[in-house]
Amino acid sequence: KAGVTQTPRYLIKTRGQQVTLSCSPISGHRSVSWYQQTPGQGLQFLFEYFSETQRNKGNFPGRFSGRQFSNSRSEMNVSTLELGDSALYLCASSLVAVGQGNTIYFGEGSWLTVV
Amino acid sequence: GQQLNQSPQSMFIQEGEDVSMNCTSSSIFNTWLWYKQEPGEGPVLLIALYKAGELTSNGRLTAQFGITRKDSFLNISASIPSDVGIYFCAGPTSGTYKYIFGTGTRLKVLA
Repeated sequence: KAGVTQTPRYLIKTRGQQVTLSCSPISGHRSVSWYQQTPGQGLQFLFEYFSETQRNKGNFPGRFSGRQFSNSRSEMNVSTLELGDSALYLCASSLVAVGQGNTIYFGEGSWLTVV
Repeated sequence: GQQLNQSPQSMFIQEGEDVSMNCTSSSIFNTWLWYKQEPGEGPVLLIALYKAGELTSNGRLTAQFGITRKDSFLNISASIPSDVGIYFCAGPTSGTYKYIFGTGTRLKVLA
């Protein structure tokens, strides 16, 4: 079955702009979580959505937001981009909500460069 | 942010050698996951562990869930050049419903 699909794969934005990234989870998976990966900070949790509700949020400013649709697809948005937002943004899906002994599967990521 | 302690940070080994890496946490986990990430790609799940003491293999890879539930180990036998990448451990911390990740072990295999 198809894996986790993220779009776009690469994008370049200017400081102050906003960006929306999209994630389609594995068919049947209801949980989608988002992560930011940078060389300095490693993989950092952004938020998790399950059944269209945000269950948990990491320590990121309010410029980072997300949502999940009824078909489990998810989007994340970053407003007023800063140079430090340049990173690989990873989406992961799981069958059930995180924490119930389940496994999460990652997409290939969206590479965001802010100039 | 909170992270797991993973060691070693990097390894340079000869093809055919065995590799061992481990991950430790200050808190108890009920699941341990091991991933491999290659440049420009997302992490790919290698092995999932769900029970303390569990030993699971996936080809040349073997991982163990530590008895204390605060550590896990990954072994790669007879390494080959395509084993090159960064290996991460991960787990959902109890009560927080968040996955946290190890700092990664960067593996380079010399042919």
